[in-house]
Amino acid sequence: DTAVSQTPKYLVTQMGNDKSIKCEQNLGHDTMYWYKQDSKKFLKIMFSYNNKELIINETVPNRFSPKSPDKAHLNLHINSLELGDSAVYFCASSQDLLDQPQHFGDGTRLSIL
Amino acid sequence: GNSVTQMEGPVTLSEEAFLTINCTYTATGYPSLFWYVQYPGEGLQLLLKATKADDKGSNKGFEATYRKETTSFHLEKGSVQVSDSAVYFCALSETYSGGGADGLTFGKGTHLIIQP
Repeated sequence: DTAVSQTPKYLVTQMGNDKSIKCEQNLGHDTMYWYKQDSKKFLKIMFSYNNKELIINETVPNRFSPKSPDKAHLNLHINSLELGDSAVYFCASSQDLLDQPQHFGDGTRLSIL
Repeated sequence: GNSVTQMEGPVTLSEEAFLTINCTYTATGYPSLFWYVQYPGEGLQLLLKATKADDKGSNKGFEATYRKETTSFHLEKGSVQVSDSAVYFCALSETYSGGGADGLTFGKGTHLIIQP
């Protein structure tokens, strides 16, 4: 039973394309997150949603648009992909905003050609 | 803003050696502190946590004590194994007195290599 699952695991595409990464959690958590991990392993939060509402939106280009159709899903859509978007993207969830820790997915490695 | 500083890696040790990975933080409120571990090709797993000053988190032989006076949360293990080789992240999450919390703020990670 995978608690937080992301698809795809690997995504290779060309600059300028639009792509989506899906995330689902089966833990019954209220809060979900997207993090970006760069080539130096540095992790930075991008977004968080609580009960389908946007809570945190760090200084992320508006080419990145999260969508939460329900509490169990938080998808990440990226328009006009750029070379600098190459990274590993991690989805995570927690019971609520106050109840850390967070449970992480295995990541999606995005490579822009 | 919040920040977490941890020692640069890679850290290379022999099996059964004593491990310390330093972590210090800055925060304006009342942070909870965490250590996460990332094995090659995998996502992050919570290793241990502490939610208030003087709390000690422990798991799988690893320990860390929340030291408010030194704003530190150093990770220790008495005898490391080859299977402990991974990247270790120190992180904090701040809870504000009015409620609500930020996402996790991570340190840059410490790559630990244990040699047989």
